[in-house]
Amino acid sequence: EPEVTQTPSHQVTQMGQEVILRCVPISNHLYFYWYRQILGQKVEFLVSFYNNEISEKSEIFDDQFSVERPDGSNFTLKIRSTKLEDSAMYFCASSDGSSGNTIYFGEGSWLTVV
Amino acid sequence: DQQVKQNSPSLSVQEGRISILNCDYTNSMFDYFLWYKKYPAEGPTFLISISSIKDKNEDGRFTVFLNKSAKHLSLHIVPSQPGDSAVYFCPETASGSRLTFGEGTQLTVNP
Repeated sequence: EPEVTQTPSHQVTQMGQEVILRCVPISNHLYFYWYRQILGQKVEFLVSFYNNEISEKSEIFDDQFSVERPDGSNFTLKIRSTKLEDSAMYFCASSDGSSGNTIYFGEGSWLTVV
Repeated sequence: DQQVKQNSPSLSVQEGRISILNCDYTNSMFDYFLWYKKYPAEGPTFLISISSIKDKNEDGRFTVFLNKSAKHLSLHIVPSQPGDSAVYFCPETASGSRLTFGEGTQLTVNP
């Protein structure tokens, strides 16, 4: 069964460092998303991406965040200067945009900022 | 304000019995309702959906019921298995865009 894959599964980074989280969405999907979950909190939407541009973003997705689809298969989330509060599980997701808006999530990348 | 709510934070059932998870919604404009489950430190997993024009959808052990007059959605799991122990969500949906997750309901299936 097709799945969304994410790398790395876990990354520890120093505060202020740049981090890139990578995702390979399901191959025929056109809509891509990043969500995150801080420990003990809800799963939160960050950004959606369609047709090579951001279609929607949340208040969390400020100027330190960016997304890119550098080629036909990868979808990345970059955090330019990490803060302690960026420590979270980051989930990539994708959908084909058909009726029902079923979104499929990856296993997540656990980011720890120290 | 949340338009889809799960009022029970937790549910505990015996293996083999039925688990019933509930959601109430306020927005009658939703086209679809989705159910996800989530294990700790893993991504949400899609379980089953239902169109707003239907009142029931079944997939194996999972059945979702939609009561439009009551604006109520429920997920039935029969028979429940210990591996079903997870947090279950009925997130708000917006066409072509985000899902908004609430607190969910922690289901525990006891052997």
